[in-house]
Amino acid sequence: DAGVIQSPRHEVTEMGQEVTLRCKPISGHNSLFWYRQTMMRGLELLIYFNNNVPIDDSGMPEDRFSAKMPNASFSTLKIQPSEPRDSAVYFCASSLTDRVYGYTFGSGTRLTVV
Amino acid sequence: DQQVKQNSPSLSVQEGRISILNCDYTNSMFDYFLWYKKYPAEGPTFLISISSIKDKNEDGRFTVFLNKSAKHLSLHIVPSQPGDSAVYFCAAKSGGSNYKLTFGKGTLLTVNP
Repeated sequence: DAGVIQSPRHEVTEMGQEVTLRCKPISGHNSLFWYRQTMMRGLELLIYFNNNVPIDDSGMPEDRFSAKMPNASFSTLKIQPSEPRDSAVYFCASSLTDRVYGYTFGSGTRLTVV
Repeated sequence: DQQVKQNSPSLSVQEGRISILNCDYTNSMFDYFLWYKKYPAEGPTFLISISSIKDKNEDGRFTVFLNKSAKHLSLHIVPSQPGDSAVYFCAAKSGGSNYKLTFGKGTLLTVNP
């Protein structure tokens, strides 16, 4: 199994531009999580999907952030418009159940907004 | 408000010695605790966990201790190896949620040969 696949690995964009991060979970996993890592706040849960349905988006920082999961094998996290304070590493994780025990993280996308 | 705190940003130990990584938490509702290890340019990987009904869990060279009265847990690595050099994250799950993990900011462990 290739694990959780995220793309791109690195993204540099100008303030105000739209950014789309992509995630392919492990086949058969029905739970998907988006986390953000910053120096100030560490790793924070942004949104959680179960069976492609958003269950908890309370961690999404503001309306500029949106996430979708159109099918079991693909999810996107979009920032529009992007701001310098969005610079962080964004991780996607998937799990077979909705329980924390089986989280598998992707390698992350390092986003830099200049 | 950091509910999970790792107060040591970094730790350096000699190969073969013990590494002790510490974690404090403030939320009494946390009922399950995990440690993740993260190498550069990779995602965190699960290392070891402990339920709040236990005070110790061991897996090979790794042991996690939980002191609920002090709201403190620690990860012991014995003996430490250079390959253990990584960032270690402490994480906790609340009893009110099956899925949400609250992470600390991490501790960078360097094991010197």
